[in-house]
Amino acid sequence: EAQVTQNPRYLITVTGKKLTVTCSQNMNHEYMSWYRQDPGLGLRQIYYSMNVEVTDKGDVPEGYKVSRKEKRNFPLILESPSPNQTSLYFCASTLEPRLASSEQFFGPGTRLTVL
Amino acid sequence: AQTVTQSQPEMSVQEAETVTLSCTYDTSESDYYLFWYKQPPSRQMILVIRQEAYKQQNATENRFSVNFQKAAKSFSLKISDSQLGDAAMYFCAYRTSGYALNFGKGTSLLVTP
Repeated sequence: EAQVTQNPRYLITVTGKKLTVTCSQNMNHEYMSWYRQDPGLGLRQIYYSMNVEVTDKGDVPEGYKVSRKEKRNFPLILESPSPNQTSLYFCASTLEPRLASSEQFFGPGTRLTVL
Repeated sequence: AQTVTQSQPEMSVQEAETVTLSCTYDTSESDYYLFWYKQPPSRQMILVIRQEAYKQQNATENRFSVNFQKAAKSFSLKISDSQLGDAAMYFCAYRTSGYALNFGKGTSLLVTP
């Protein structure tokens, strides 16, 4: 089944404790992206990757890192999480990002709480 | 920068009735796509419908249709014969040949029996 998976689905952590949220897709998509969703703000892009070893900042990159060592994986790293990073996180991928029609497939979301 | 505005934070509709969710956007691009995503309580993002800007004809997917007014930069979603399973948060989104989807803030739809 074609899908985007994220782990963990739920995470409660404390300020300053490094964490990684994994994202994997099995559709051989070139483009992958991370969004965060906050009440009243919709979804905002954090980082994206056009292909292996190519990453770039989205609208809200502060406090986050990403890497793209393999085509299928795009982990989101919070080196020193803070309470304002408490949010719902989505990973997404698409086959051909240069086509505006290209559908983005979303993972199931990761609910992160930073105490 | 492109912006997407959903002016209705919450809407309510009775089962079997029709409801329209509003969306406006701001862009200087001529070629772009517009999308409506549904987010049920499971939080999964589900693509409901998409519209190509250069197509005059409004997109339709079963009970879901759009009213695309390009000059007015308006892209509303009409849900006909509403069902309890339609209750969800609905997001309007815009995309050009750039990479990110630009989302509105969402409209929460309640469906009452």
